[in-house]
Amino acid sequence: ETGVTQSPTHLIKTRGQQVTLRCSSQSGHNTVSWYQQALGQGPQFIFQYYREEENGRGNFPPRFSGLQFPNYSSELNVNALELDDSALYLCASSFLGGTGELFFGEGSRLTVL
Amino acid sequence: KNEVEQSPQNLTAQEGEFITINCSYSVGISALHWLQQHPGGGIVSLFMLSSGKKKHGRLIATINIQEKHSSLHITASHPRDSAVYICAVRSTGNQFYFGTGTSLTVIP
Repeated sequence: ETGVTQSPTHLIKTRGQQVTLRCSSQSGHNTVSWYQQALGQGPQFIFQYYREEENGRGNFPPRFSGLQFPNYSSELNVNALELDDSALYLCASSFLGGTGELFFGEGSRLTVL
Repeated sequence: KNEVEQSPQNLTAQEGEFITINCSYSVGISALHWLQQHPGGGIVSLFMLSSGKKKHGRLIATINIQEKHSSLHITASHPRDSAVYICAVRSTGNQFYFGTGTSLTVIP
């Protein structure tokens, strides 16, 4: 049990729709990062938020956006969904300035039809 | 070329065997993580290293910064160790790069 919770656990969308995924960080953590994991592949880094600002971004287009709230919970928003966006989306929280260890949620599995 | 390369991709071992998984990376890093992923998706952090060696129970992780290489060792492997093991690095530019994972099966 990492203390990081994600919602929803599963969802189905159609191409062109928008989706919002949510992550509640472990208490005391000030950093959250998001990852996309396609079936059979390793995770890909989407972006990281530290104290409500994006401070690192992977090779994902602008239709992937995020927010971090004052309570350090976070959202991942994906606009104009494409079939290739079907994947497991993972968030991880950590304390920047501490050990830096990552604590992962169980993920949200998105299917785009 | 991927920034993080792992080997082997797949590994089958008999219970009790000593296992080594290797990870090489090509970027400057601030930390290297070893992660364990079970079927269904949940990822657990095993180690975070920036230098030297760490041990936790039957698991040992080492890193050689000069050679840009890390190894994860499992001593006295057990069927419950069966999982995908992933090497990930946090670059000095605040990016995360992941290996494709090593799928380990330990047979009783």
